[in-house]
Amino acid sequence: NAGVTQTPKFQVLKTGQSMTLQCAQDMNHNSMYWYRQDPGMGLRLIYYSASEGTTDKGEVPNGYNVSRLNKREFSLRLESAAPSQTSVYFCASGFPGQNGETQYFGPGTRLLVL
Amino acid sequence: GENVEQHPSTLSVQEGDSAVIKCTYSDSASNYFPWYKQELGKRPQLIIDIRSNVGEKKDQRIAVTLNKTAKHFSLHITETQPEDSAVYFCAASRNTGGFKTIFGAGTRLFVKA
Repeated sequence: NAGVTQTPKFQVLKTGQSMTLQCAQDMNHNSMYWYRQDPGMGLRLIYYSASEGTTDKGEVPNGYNVSRLNKREFSLRLESAAPSQTSVYFCASGFPGQNGETQYFGPGTRLLVL
Repeated sequence: GENVEQHPSTLSVQEGDSAVIKCTYSDSASNYFPWYKQELGKRPQLIIDIRSNVGEKKDQRIAVTLNKTAKHFSLHITETQPEDSAVYFCAASRNTGGFKTIFGAGTRLFVKA
């Protein structure tokens, strides 16, 4: 049981290049999320998917697209990378509990856009 | 838009002392308030959570309180230990199918031995 996995771990892009960040979970969770983490700004929600086949915008969706490929996989695409997208990206999946939903995070992808 | 404010941004305490982190939220529809701990270079992990119909919850050395009227919630860590040193994030969440979660900016806690 690997939990939430992300690839790649590190990536360097040039401005204007595109790339897809991959995320997969093996916990049979319905909900999946993409966050970015910048110094002093905490975690900001980019997009989320409440269930297979649905996606919704979060706080900072501009410049990103997502695909919920199936229940396990949720990818994040940067069509034309910009230096402002330099960040650490975390994927998470959610499990409804007694109080609300516990989110389990992946190890993160560190992205540098030059 | 919705936001969560978290204070202080940095907190330094002596081992054995208590630490308190405070958050306020703006979205009155929020009904779930988790707290995450992130150690250096690692992923955030849930440490405690509280739902809006509960005012206080305790788990060993950590406790959370919620004042829904004032839209305030707090994390209390007692008898701090060096391994409590980390960044702590509060969050406010509401069920929109998935749980749309807004995080605070984080508090970096240093526990000095």
